[in-house]
Amino acid sequence: DAGITQSPRYKITETGRQVTLMCHQTWSHSYMFWYRQDLGHGLRLIYYSAAADITDKGEVPDGYVVSRSKTENFPLTLESATRSQTSVYFCASRGAGVNYGYTFGSGTRLTVV
Amino acid sequence: SQQGEEDPQALSIQEGENATMNCSYKTSINNLQWYRQNSGRGLVHLILIRSNEREKHSGRLRVTLDTSKKSSSLLITASRAADTASYFCATAQYSGGGADGLTFGKGTHLIIQP
Repeated sequence: DAGITQSPRYKITETGRQVTLMCHQTWSHSYMFWYRQDLGHGLRLIYYSAAADITDKGEVPDGYVVSRSKTENFPLTLESATRSQTSVYFCASRGAGVNYGYTFGSGTRLTVV
Repeated sequence: SQQGEEDPQALSIQEGENATMNCSYKTSINNLQWYRQNSGRGLVHLILIRSNEREKHSGRLRVTLDTSKKSSSLLITASRAADTASYFCATAQYSGGGADGLTFGKGTHLIIQP
């Protein structure tokens, strides 16, 4: 999607390795979010951020770390990857008002072997 | 935990027909949103309806919201092959901070037969 970029698009990593998924948006949106999408579970919120240096846990934060030193970037780090973290990860952003839709990136398909 | 639950899980119709998908949710909301996801792609925002609204239109889309029944429906009229996708409802419940995130249902997979 124009304006929000995720990288890499695909990633295969080994159990126990640290891996970082990148998310960059060009709209200066205050709010950014990380979701994971799994069959049978739909999308679940991992972490979100209201502004630079402000982050908070979502529904499934265990095993993940986020940072937001700049408004435009919101990287997601798996500290020690596990097979259960095999998933498709989506980053999203939203403007300041609560009645705005989210803009999603194209996703990162992560496989942990 | 899932807030929204879409019904049906899958729907197959002929091109030109109307498609209706339903969403039920459990708690009070600020707004409800519908998204489309094509295979292997990110989600695309379609329409947002606020808790004090009952109906909203956007092109071939019509969304209704019944907060007393905690349910919403998405109607796509005059369906096209390009409408083949998964459709998700998502609810927003903001506790004051404004950044609590959306809660998604598991989606309805819509197939438009040519």
